[in-house]
Amino acid sequence: AQSVTQPDIHITVSEGASLELRCNYSYGATPYLFWYVQSPGQGLQLLLKYFSGDTLVQGIKGFEAEFKRSQSSFNLRKPSVHWSDAAEYFCAVGAGGGGNKLTFGTGTQLKVEL
Amino acid sequence: EAQVTQNPRYLITVTGKKLTVTCSQNMNHEYMSWYRQDPGLGLRQIYYSMNVEVTDKGDVPEGYKVSRKEKRNFPLILESPSPNQTSLYFCASSERKAINNEQFFGPGTRLTVL
Repeated sequence: AQSVTQPDIHITVSEGASLELRCNYSYGATPYLFWYVQSPGQGLQLLLKYFSGDTLVQGIKGFEAEFKRSQSSFNLRKPSVHWSDAAEYFCAVGAGGGGNKLTFGTGTQLKVEL
Repeated sequence: EAQVTQNPRYLITVTGKKLTVTCSQNMNHEYMSWYRQDPGLGLRQIYYSMNVEVTDKGDVPEGYKVSRKEKRNFPLILESPSPNQTSLYFCASSERKAINNEQFFGPGTRLTVL
């Protein structure tokens, strides 16, 4: 069965600093990987996704993520964080096939200091 | 506007009082799913549906029922709610294509069971 680990529960960065959120997955086949963001009181918004091809994927709001098969990782990055980026971030892996199931990590809460 | 809607957004109820949370999507998606979100646990899948009249259990189905009589609607039913079902619930939908697991989420329903 697939699983996702987000080792950092909370991260605090200063506005303008770079950001990297870690995500490690376990899945036997080629994974479909996603990053979602949840702003306070809001639903989940898709930031970016990886299905195949270029291992560096660009998303919305200036985010990018790099798929590293050898490390089973899909870390999310942003070169310069804005105060509005404060939110909870979820990494997820898709099962593919007919199930369309997403398995989520436990989330990383990002705080941005002004 | 393409969207997934849920009602109600907030609900406080008492143990044992049957309730239904509605979910509707306007994207003609075949696949729909319910998740619950709890602190430190991320999102866990409750039930999913691959098409009309086709439903199956996710990871945490106990205490819940679903139905899929129409393509656009996927209500979540709690016949006898208990306090451990206090949670934030999300409905999601996606195209059924196996290669495309991108799911669109509703805004969430915050349920409190007293």
